[in-house]
Amino acid sequence: QVQLQESGPGLVKPSGTLSLTCVVSGDSISDYYWTWIRQPPGKGLECIGYIFHTGSTNYNPSLKSRLTISIDTSKNQFSLNLRSVTAADTAVYYCARIQRGWLDYWGQGTPVTVSS
Amino acid sequence: QSVLTQPPSVSGAPGQRVTISCTGSSSNIGAGYDVHWYQQLPGTAPKLLIYGNSNRPSGVPDRFSGSKSGTSASLAITGLQAEDEADYYCQSFDSRLSESYVFGTGTKVTVL
Repeated sequence: QVQLQESGPGLVKPSGTLSLTCVVSGDSISDYYWTWIRQPPGKGLECIGYIFHTGSTNYNPSLKSRLTISIDTSKNQFSLNLRSVTAADTAVYYCARIQRGWLDYWGQGTPVTVSS
Repeated sequence: QSVLTQPPSVSGAPGQRVTISCTGSSSNIGAGYDVHWYQQLPGTAPKLLIYGNSNRPSGVPDRFSGSKSGTSASLAITGLQAEDEADYYCQSFDSRLSESYVFGTGTKVTVL
């Protein structure tokens, strides 16, 4: 059974950097695309970006200038770095596996609050 | 901002049938990209409900069904049960928005 687990600080100061890691267990991180999804309080889902095991990435245009997604195949994990955060980046952040266009496995989500 | 539009809410009595629409455009659903559906129970991560327009993953009851036509898709729940009360999201791919995965606005299903 594939499992994904997000980790990282739950509180980030405004103008700081939000850094999260998603550890994948139960399967190799290779041969799949992996994505970060976020959900602001009381709102819908938004795809932040995705990465292939080769390191090839695609970012949401609205976040592209502040965003880096990376992957470490040796540790079977991928990471998110979002710079210059504001209160608008407060959300629950999920990592998920992309299976031919749909997201078949999700992490439980980690809440991140941007506040001083 | 979501590019797939869903009704904010639908409701029905136990045992009834409800449908949720998902309206896109020529750059996503209308371009031939598949539609997938997720169920999100309160306080939990979304769960894959329907993939490839009409396929159910193992373990999903056959009360849930999906369809797609033109620039829209629909999710139907027949024999509505109290445990179906949740938020539902459609998802597809958009070739115009930097080739990105896109979600619907979400629909809250209430069991009366």
